[in-house]
Amino acid sequence: NAGVTQTPKFQVLKTGQSMTLQCAQDMNHNSMYWYRQDPGMGLRLIYYSASEGTTDKGEVPNGYNVSRLNKREFSLRLESAAPSQTSVYFCASSVEGRTYGYTFGSGTRLTVV
Amino acid sequence: GEDVEQSLFLSVREGDSSVINCTYTDSSSTYLYWYKQEPGAGLQLLTYIFSNMDMKQDQRLTVLLNKKDKHLSLRIADTQTGDSAIYFCAEEGSQGNLIFGKGTKLSVKP
Repeated sequence: NAGVTQTPKFQVLKTGQSMTLQCAQDMNHNSMYWYRQDPGMGLRLIYYSASEGTTDKGEVPNGYNVSRLNKREFSLRLESAAPSQTSVYFCASSVEGRTYGYTFGSGTRLTVV
Repeated sequence: GEDVEQSLFLSVREGDSSVINCTYTDSSSTYLYWYKQEPGAGLQLLTYIFSNMDMKQDQRLTVLLNKKDKHLSLRIADTQTGDSAIYFCAEEGSQGNLIFGKGTKLSVKP
């Protein structure tokens, strides 16, 4: 079982560049989430998709956009990367509305220079 | 608002017990969680407790829940160097998400 797969695992961007972080799950989960992790800050919710066709802002959405491409895939886009977006990004999925059975991907480590 | 607080660091000697504490705000959480993150890795679910329980034991791990005080603790018995990691407490958010504390870095000295 692959679970939640994130690509790429590492990325270095220059300020102003754009990129898309990919996330796919194979557990037939309805809900998917993007978090960022910064030292001493824990994980903060960027965007989430409660079900296919819906997306909503989380705690720290500025500078990001998301697309729920289908039930399996939920991408996170940085249109114009800034150094403040240097972070580790985690995708997660779950059965809709339930935190039990939450599954995380292994993370994407992004550096913006 | 929803918030989870935990201390940032804990240092113990190998073989001792470790106790990591957490306070949370949302009394409606059905489950409360402890996640473990080893260096350079993702988050691994360590254990959880259902909100109508006050204690759960799983091998070396004991979770205590005090709903009145909104206090959650994780006790690791006979702490080993392999237990060195960051431990996150998490409660359920209103959006089906998890709300995490900032994490407690556990250092185990030989």
